[in-house]
Amino acid sequence: EAQVTQNPRYLITVTGKKLTVTCSQNMNHEYMSWYRQDPGLGLRQIYYSMNVEVTDKGDVPEGYKVSRKEKRNFPLILESPSPNQTSLYFCASKLLSKEETQYFGPGTRLLVL
Amino acid sequence: DQQVKQNSPSLSVQEGRISILNCDYTNSMFDYFLWYKKYPAEGPTFLISISSIKDKNEDGRFTVFLNKSAKHLSLHIVPSQPGDSAVYFCPSSNTGKLIFGQGTTLQVKP
Repeated sequence: EAQVTQNPRYLITVTGKKLTVTCSQNMNHEYMSWYRQDPGLGLRQIYYSMNVEVTDKGDVPEGYKVSRKEKRNFPLILESPSPNQTSLYFCASKLLSKEETQYFGPGTRLLVL
Repeated sequence: DQQVKQNSPSLSVQEGRISILNCDYTNSMFDYFLWYKKYPAEGPTFLISISSIKDKNEDGRFTVFLNKSAKHLSLHIVPSQPGDSAVYFCPSSNTGKLIFGQGTTLQVKP
């Protein structure tokens, strides 16, 4: 089944404790992206990647890192999480053509205390 | 600076009637518009899209209308079903990057 998977689905952590949210897709998509969803703000892009070893900042990259060592994986790293990073995170992927549909993962709900 | 706005946070419709969800955008460079539906505890799923060279696209019960001069698009769902109850987003794009609005929660009452 074609899908985007994220782990963990739910995470509670404390300020400053490094964490990684994994994202994997099995559709051989070149493009992958991370979003956060906050009440009243919709989804905002954090980082994206056009292909292996190619990553770029989205609209809200502060406090986040990403890597793209393999085509299928695009982990989101919070080196020193803070409470304002409490949010719902979505990973998405698509083929590179701009009119291709983005497929979203199920989401990771993060609470930073 | 919100480039995509969904000014109605919520909408309630009776089953069988038409649901009309609206979206306004400010960036005239957008050339591709999509609608996504999101259920609780799931990621957004693609519904329908429209290119800026068209003014209407239809897929079953779903029709999207684009008014470029007004920078406005709408999604019509006819007939509405209880399973359509979800949050709807209308991301817009000109480079492949999606810019999302705040979302509209649709409730379809049996």
